[in-house]
Amino acid sequence: DADVTQTPRNRITKTGKRIMLECSQTKGHDRMYWYRQDPGLGLRLIYYSFDVKDINKGEISDGYSVSRQAQAKFSLSLESAIPNQTALYFCATSDRASLYGYTFGSGTRLTVV
Amino acid sequence: DAKTTQPPSMDCAEGRAANLPCNHSTISGNEYVYWYRQIHSQGPQYIIHGLKNNETNEMASLIITEDRKSSTLILPHATLRDTAVYYCIVRVGSNTDKLIFGTGTRLQVFP
Repeated sequence: DADVTQTPRNRITKTGKRIMLECSQTKGHDRMYWYRQDPGLGLRLIYYSFDVKDINKGEISDGYSVSRQAQAKFSLSLESAIPNQTALYFCATSDRASLYGYTFGSGTRLTVV
Repeated sequence: DAKTTQPPSMDCAEGRAANLPCNHSTISGNEYVYWYRQIHSQGPQYIIHGLKNNETNEMASLIITEDRKSSTLILPHATLRDTAVYYCIVRVGSNTDKLIFGTGTRLQVFP
């Protein structure tokens, strides 16, 4: 099994619908992150969580919300999806020392029509 | 975190060394240089990081200039599977760490 698992892998949804992207990890890391990537661009940070009780906004949090249900689970919600939220979404984890890099999931490709 | 500048694209012949430059002229004394790569649309993969000294691991070498204002990632014998976008990132390795990505360098390895 992958260290960081994202579900679903692909999703097409309609404008205005609520959608949740889920991320779970088996790394035992306390820190988790959500990024989005638009075509030809680098990743942009949406939200991050340093532990279960700590949630922080990233560069582009508007239109998104998150929930850290447990150390191993971090979900991203789009309350009312819009077409410009069509993107590739990545979840990542890191440990407290954070010197040895992040581990990324395989991504969720979301299309809002 | 300090900003980085990378060329948008580079080519390299298979079997040759790929040298990817990165400028980070505003880097602070406590900021590390990290390199990640992203193959196609997969999740980014950690390659290597360093603070002051040159570093080497099984994937690559990282050369940091003495003034730390620039660095070079070296893939000693590039293969077709090294075709990817390479991101150079500087960040403080502390409790406030966050990875902030730029647009990276698209490396194309050709036969």
